[in-house]
Amino acid sequence: GNSVTQMEGPVTLSEEAFLTINCTYTATGYPSLFWYVQYPGEGLQLLLKATKADDKGSNKGFEATYRKETTSFHLEKGSVQVSDSAVYFCALTPIYNQGGKLIFGQGTELSVKP
Amino acid sequence: KAGVTQTPRYLIKTRGQQVTLSCSPISGHRSVSWYQQTPGQGLQFLFEYFSETQRNKGNFPGRFSGRQFSNSRSEMNVSTLELGDSALYLCASSAGAGTGELFFGEGSRLTVL
Repeated sequence: GNSVTQMEGPVTLSEEAFLTINCTYTATGYPSLFWYVQYPGEGLQLLLKATKADDKGSNKGFEATYRKETTSFHLEKGSVQVSDSAVYFCALTPIYNQGGKLIFGQGTELSVKP
Repeated sequence: KAGVTQTPRYLIKTRGQQVTLSCSPISGHRSVSWYQQTPGQGLQFLFEYFSETQRNKGNFPGRFSGRQFSNSRSEMNVSTLELGDSALYLCASSAGAGTGELFFGEGSRLTVL
């Protein structure tokens, strides 16, 4: 079946540190991959996406590359800020997806200290 | 452009009761999906409606149901509430093209006592 596995949190970093949040997936075929972010007290927001192998999604300084060989989609940012503190979710859409069904990882909480 | 609106934001119920949650999608969006978020199980897909028809369904018991109206607004209902139904229920809308780009509301926090 389809599944997403993320590194467990919480992850605590100092401001300007480098961030990596690991995400691997299991899926039939080649799904689209996403990172969503949930700030405290808010709903989820799409951060970035990639729809095919070797695609790189990027937004707000965050990047992730769709790696078919390793079935991974790790999230990276070169220099985190306090405002990046949130929960990050890796997700995929099944290839047969007709619409709004996403398979989410468990989420990784990021806390950035000044 | 107004975002996804969910009501009520917070509610407390007792076991055995039922609850109805409402979601108004972004104007022009025809797809509404519902997710349950709990600390233990994370985010789990409940169901999706598109043009008033259920298009996808997750692995939840029949106590969980939903519907969509002609204006794309959606409701979900949970009958015979159990303690384990305590969760944040998130609604998401999309244009319906199957891109996975969902726009989420802030959620309805349900507590079952």
